[in-house]
Amino acid sequence: GNSVTQMEGPVTLSEEAFLTINCTYTATGYPSLFWYVQYPGEGLQLLLKATKADDKGSNKGFEATYRKETTSFHLEKGSVQVSDSAVYFCALGNTGNQFYFGTGTSLTVIP
Amino acid sequence: EAGVTQFPSHSVIEKGQTVTLRCDPISGHDNLYWYRRVMGKEIKFLLHFVKESKQDESGMPNNRFLAERTGGTYSTLKVQPAELEDSGVYFCASSRIPGSSYNEQFFGPGTRLTVL
Repeated sequence: GNSVTQMEGPVTLSEEAFLTINCTYTATGYPSLFWYVQYPGEGLQLLLKATKADDKGSNKGFEATYRKETTSFHLEKGSVQVSDSAVYFCALGNTGNQFYFGTGTSLTVIP
Repeated sequence: EAGVTQFPSHSVIEKGQTVTLRCDPISGHDNLYWYRRVMGKEIKFLLHFVKESKQDESGMPNNRFLAERTGGTYSTLKVQPAELEDSGVYFCASSRIPGSSYNEQFFGPGTRLTVL
């Protein structure tokens, strides 16, 4: 079946630190992978996506590479800002219409 | 373009009461989804509408949950009677075309339901 395992939080970093949030998946076939972000008081927003192996999604300084060999889609950012404080969700879309989400990782960036 | 909206943002009810959540999708989006996040766990799929028809309701936990989408516009999710384990955040999402594999689903801010 389809599932997503995401790094447990919460994560607290100082401004300008390097961020990695791990995400691995289980799926049959050829899923697409997504990172969604939820800022305080707002809905989930798509941060980036990748639709096939070796694709790299990127947005707002965040990057994630679809690694089929390791079934991973880790989120990275070289220098986080206070405004990046949010909850990050890794998600998988496969045949059928539902998305499969990880548990979410809460990130707090302190000045 | 207005995003997905949900009402109310918070609801606190007692066990045994009824609650109705509402979702207004983005205009023109035929596909509407309900998800739920319980106790900081993963966000789980509840059901999917295409226009007014239920395409997939495999994630609905039990028959205390009833979702409708009359006229293919907004949707309601009713919980009757509510139980303690129904507490969580209920998200609605919509998409213009089916969300499988390649296509983004647009999410609302969620309704936080607390059952006491």
